[in-house]
Amino acid sequence: QVQLQQSGAELAKPGSSVKISCKASGYTFTSYDISWIKQTTGQGLEYIGYINTGSGGTYYNEKFKGKATLTVDKSSSTAFMQLSSLTPEDTAVYYCARDTNWFAYWGQGTLVTVSS
Amino acid sequence: DIQMTQSPSLLSASVGDRVTLSCKASQNIYKYLNWYQQKLGEAPKLLIYYTNSLQTGIPSRFSGSGSGTDYTLTISSLQPEDVATYFCQQYNSWPTFGAGTKLELK
Repeated sequence: QVQLQQSGAELAKPGSSVKISCKASGYTFTSYDISWIKQTTGQGLEYIGYINTGSGGTYYNEKFKGKATLTVDKSSSTAFMQLSSLTPEDTAVYYCARDTNWFAYWGQGTLVTVSS
Repeated sequence: DIQMTQSPSLLSASVGDRVTLSCKASQNIYKYLNWYQQKLGEAPKLLIYYTNSLQTGIPSRFSGSGSGTDYTLTISSLQPEDVATYFCQQYNSWPTFGAGTKLELK
């Protein structure tokens, strides 16, 4: 069965970076893009962008350009998102999800807390 | 960005009720509209895609309709396990989500 397994919760200091992983299983990894979605209580669900897992091509929501960097390791069927120059506004649950139009498969979410 | 407005933000209903949730787009999204259910502490679950296509494994009491800017998710007979927050999402352009409707039991 399709599964997306994300890395564990992160506690980071302002100004630092974190890298979240999303390991896919149960399907051909390079056949589907991986999207990343941010969820906060205040802003709700926000689409960060996606990576073409075959070519490595990346597409970002304008709001997250410079904040998020998406990469992929095809050998391990894992997608990554690095968040840089963290501020308290980056505190959120981050999800990976398969595909780009509708999201039938989601990771379990990774809580990133930014605090000094 | 296309703005998605959901109403109501909070809905109380009884088991067995027919429940209707609304989602309005800031411009025509040509039926490129999905619905998700999210329970506390879980990832969202896809219920309906492309306005009215039921995702595999989702009970038939869930249905979707709409066109243009106005869309609806209907639960024909509310069950206790349907208590959750429901989100709409458009993909006519860069995906955006509504703020959600929280559904609780009366």
